[in-house]
Amino acid sequence: GQQLNQSPQSMFIQEGEDVSMNCTSSSIFNTWLWYKQEPGEGPVLLIALYKAGELTSNGRLTAQFGITRKDSFLNISASIPSDVGIYFCAGLRGSQGNLIFGKGTKLSVKP
Amino acid sequence: GAVVSQHPSRVICKSGTSVKIECRSLDFQATTMFWYRQFPKKSLMLMATSNEGSKATYEQGVEKDKFLINHASLTLSTLTVTSAHPEDSSFYICSARLDRGETQYFGPGTRLLVL
Repeated sequence: GQQLNQSPQSMFIQEGEDVSMNCTSSSIFNTWLWYKQEPGEGPVLLIALYKAGELTSNGRLTAQFGITRKDSFLNISASIPSDVGIYFCAGLRGSQGNLIFGKGTKLSVKP
Repeated sequence: GAVVSQHPSRVICKSGTSVKIECRSLDFQATTMFWYRQFPKKSLMLMATSNEGSKATYEQGVEKDKFLINHASLTLSTLTVTSAHPEDSSFYICSARLDRGETQYFGPGTRLLVL
């Protein structure tokens, strides 16, 4: 099925550094969601974006819904070791449609 | 709020047996639940959409007779892997969507190992 283009695929950073990852699509989405998944667990919702141009923060996390509705980014500021995990973006076209997932960004943080 | 549980968290079974996985929305009603499968180091693959009181909608390539889905109430959906084979070993994750909402909340997943 269709997937979003998520990049980078993986990141190795030092504790305290800022992180940025993004998702792009050739199609328009009405909703963008960012999830974090740790090994052996289900994805946990981090941020939900519902309007084009919307910028939303959740603690050290900030995400934006692109103006064109075809992209979104997630920033993590001042990373800490517990930020380690796989981050997935997911897009939704209609209010009752299925989520389209990116392939994930694996984040590793070195203390 | 918006907590989804799954049971069991891990299951090991013999080839040829059937395994039932439960997905419950603990503090909200979910008309729609979703079942995903995830292979190691891969993204989530949607298997089927489970609608309360009606038949599930399966994605292309997913055998409905092998992966039986029952959504008997607004807080419970079950996935039964029938006549399991080693290739069915995987991480199965459910999600639930709030009524009139768009956001999906995921369960913690069930690790299935078929010997």
